[in-house]
Amino acid sequence: KNQVEQSPQSLIILEGKNCTLQCNYTVSPFSNLRWYKQDTGRGPVSLTIMTFSENTKSNGRYTATLDADTKQSSLHITASQLSDSASYICVVSGGVKGGGNKLTFGTGTQLKVEL
Amino acid sequence: DTAVSQTPKYLVTQMGNDKSIKCEQNLGHDTMYWYKQDSKKFLKIMFSYNNKELIINETVPNRFSPKSPDKAHLNLHINSLELGDSAVYFCASSQGGLSPIYGYTFGSGTRLTVV
Repeated sequence: KNQVEQSPQSLIILEGKNCTLQCNYTVSPFSNLRWYKQDTGRGPVSLTIMTFSENTKSNGRYTATLDADTKQSSLHITASQLSDSASYICVVSGGVKGGGNKLTFGTGTQLKVEL
Repeated sequence: DTAVSQTPKYLVTQMGNDKSIKCEQNLGHDTMYWYKQDSKKFLKIMFSYNNKELIINETVPNRFSPKSPDKAHLNLHINSLELGDSAVYFCASSQGGLSPIYGYTFGSGTRLTVV
């Protein structure tokens, strides 16, 4: 069964600190992995997209890593800001044998940045 | 300009009623989706439309019917609303069918409350 699990479920950090969010998946065959940021009451916004051959991709203070062998990804946030408070969702595309793609969403990590 | 817009933003209605949620995208994307986000913040895909053809239907009850008058619109009609239908519904769009290169663009969501 295709699954995407994220940890921790929630996280509180002080402004200026770094943090790392984890995503483990069992989706096979694998196509790509995306990280989304979802502010409260808003739709998800794409941060990064990574394919099988990519190990690291950065978007400003966000850096995503992918280990396709262990089926793990992480999202590292550097020098956190209050505006980083949001839900971060890992989405894996794939899981359809013979072609095509299906999206499997993780349940998200709720991040709160405090002063 | 809003890329993916949904209306209404909030909808409160009684059990048994029929309601519609509208979605429009001005990105020129070829595929549109409807997602349901439950109280646990888990996003589950409901429908996907590509070139006016339904290509995903994730065992959604037939009380839910997507209607796409053209490539820029995908409306969601719900018959005989039930308490369990209460959730936030997100519309999204992408270019490149089910394997979009640049990810998905989400609307801001419609919070449906059935009383």
